[in-house]
Amino acid sequence: AQKVTQAQTEISVVEKEDVTLDCVYETRDTTYYLFWYKQPPSGELVFLIRRNSFDEQNEISGRYSWNFQKSTSSFNFTITASQVVDSAVYFCALSEHNFNKFYFGSGTKLNVKP
Amino acid sequence: EAGVTQFPSHSVIEKGQTVTLRCDPISGHDNLYWYRRVMGKEIKFLLHFVKESKQDESGMPNNRFLAERTGGTYSTLKVQPAELEDSGVYFCASSQGRPNTEAFFGQGTRLTVV
Repeated sequence: AQKVTQAQTEISVVEKEDVTLDCVYETRDTTYYLFWYKQPPSGELVFLIRRNSFDEQNEISGRYSWNFQKSTSSFNFTITASQVVDSAVYFCALSEHNFNKFYFGSGTKLNVKP
Repeated sequence: EAGVTQFPSHSVIEKGQTVTLRCDPISGHDNLYWYRRVMGKEIKFLLHFVKESKQDESGMPNNRFLAERTGGTYSTLKVQPAELEDSGVYFCASSQGRPNTEAFFGQGTRLTVV
């Protein structure tokens, strides 16, 4: 079975705080892909990152960073020095090798207050 | 370049009525997907087209749902007759031909069945 769990339903922080969004996944495949998407108030899902299961190197993009740990089946997302514009629902997703469909988590709503 | 476009953005219908949702994918994307998010839960896969062919329709809830993709371009998702539990946000996404690439999502259609 494939499953993605985002245990944090909603998080509220004050601007400039760091925040980590958790994502835990389950799959029997040895080759798989993990994604993060952002859903701002406008509604569309915006692609943030794609990571394959053989690349455990952490990635940093500006204020965003991702920590992939196969040992704990986690792919966590950290926003450093959060800003009000980061307020959105964030989804973690999994796809298996050579299959295009995504398995999404239930999303984490992030509220960044000024 | 235009993104994935969905029509309508909102639809409120009575139980038993028919509703048709439309999706225009990014030009040149062979893969087109439908997903649904119900009441703050995870976003669930409905089906996947490759050009005009249904590649995977394992997520379609029942035979009240009919998806088509005319000529491999836009797609429609018809619900007939609609039931209360069909309420949710229906997302369309498209991607290029290679498997496991990121998908680009539309803003969704919020369907409310009363």
